[in-house]
Amino acid sequence: QKEVEQNSGPLSVPEGAIASLNCTYSDRGSQSFFWYRQYSGKSPELIMFIYSNGDKEDGRFTAQLNKASQYVSLLIRDSQPSDSATYLCAVNIDDYKLSFGAGTTVTVRA
Amino acid sequence: DVKVTQSSRYLVKRTGEKVFLECVQDMDHENMFWYRQDPGLGLRLIYFSYDVKMKEKGDIPEGYSVSREKKERFSLILESASTNQTSMYLCASSLSEATQYFGPGTRLTVL
Repeated sequence: QKEVEQNSGPLSVPEGAIASLNCTYSDRGSQSFFWYRQYSGKSPELIMFIYSNGDKEDGRFTAQLNKASQYVSLLIRDSQPSDSATYLCAVNIDDYKLSFGAGTTVTVRA
Repeated sequence: DVKVTQSSRYLVKRTGEKVFLECVQDMDHENMFWYRQDPGLGLRLIYFSYDVKMKEKGDIPEGYSVSREKKERFSLILESASTNQTSMYLCASSLSEATQYFGPGTRLTVL
């Protein structure tokens, strides 16, 4: 069983809509959760991290964490064409290492 | 801002060559990582280092070695490059917490 699972997509949303990305993880001991954005041909860049159950908002992005359900999600409000990218979910598996999901590709239609 | 740099954006090498990929970070981070990323396989950890001269194998260390002589620099070495090592190589660094920051990547082609 993979440690971090994401729907690969592609997820296509119209401009201005909300994009909802989901991620589940297998290790109940994980404490830190991250969302990275990766444009085609580029390296991953950190969007958000979340450590506590509940929601965390940063601009148009909201991360949601439910440790009991081992589930973390990312909402992108007012989606823009520039949000078209692959979004990677990452979960810590020890003090140093992260386990990455395969990524969800998002396309925002103008 | 954290800055992680990698020595080359694109590299073309021949089978059997020894290949060096360099990574430098400027934020005094203890931890440094080398990943490769392939379509459909996601990010896979090759090696990581949690201190100078300290290293640990990741999930796919075969065919690779690493060197960390200085805190800011972490090198990945392909001892004898093979075509199945054609990939995007990504370096990352982090402080004691898990947040990792990535360099721009090196796209390596082995002919």
